[in-house]
Amino acid sequence: DQQVKQNSPSLSVQEGRISILNCDYTNSMFDYFLWYKKYPAEGPTFLISISSIKDKNEDGRFTVFLNKSAKHLSLHIVPSQPGDSAVYFCAASEGQAGTALIFGKGTTLSVSS
Amino acid sequence: DAGVTQSPTHLIKTRGQQVTLRCSPKSGHDTVSWYQQALGQGPQFIFQYYEEEERQRGNFPDRFSGHQFPNYSSELNVNALLLGDSALYLCASSSESRYGYTFGSGTRLTVV
Repeated sequence: DQQVKQNSPSLSVQEGRISILNCDYTNSMFDYFLWYKKYPAEGPTFLISISSIKDKNEDGRFTVFLNKSAKHLSLHIVPSQPGDSAVYFCAASEGQAGTALIFGKGTTLSVSS
Repeated sequence: DAGVTQSPTHLIKTRGQQVTLRCSPKSGHDTVSWYQQALGQGPQFIFQYYEEEERQRGNFPDRFSGHQFPNYSSELNVNALLLGDSALYLCASSSESRYGYTFGSGTRLTVV
């Protein structure tokens, strides 16, 4: 009964190309979505978020798209860089501050030069 | 500005023992959440502390307990350790006034 699903365990992309990481959720009460990046031996680092009232949010090379009807979000990284190689986690929450984050299992992105 | 600090970084315990993990939140944050990340999995929410009270709890047994101190730092206690408790334990701090979580680097617990 996983509420947040990242169905691709891994993704390999060449430097300079686009990386697209996908995430699906089942709980229609989720209204805030986040992407975190995690390097080995470090804690997750916040990348970008999106509220359910929006369908797109951009921050530099990172763009998150939200399709509420499909309960699907995606993270686009353009252009991809070798330093982007890490595990990416999708997370969701009900409400704003003070609510638990529900994480997916993560997708390992490898960007080759 | 120090971020979230967790101690110790690594720990090895024997099955049946008890363990205490510690977390100091980021400056200005008053809420602390704990997560367990097993190998190959995403972080799973254990519980959250605010104003020294457990405010929200995930699907973890009572063997997992915690505490928050007046300075907002927090402890996670696990009793009667099982082999399955081996994981990376992450602390995340946040502020009630602004959405956003900052994670520490975690404590790697190995139960043998």
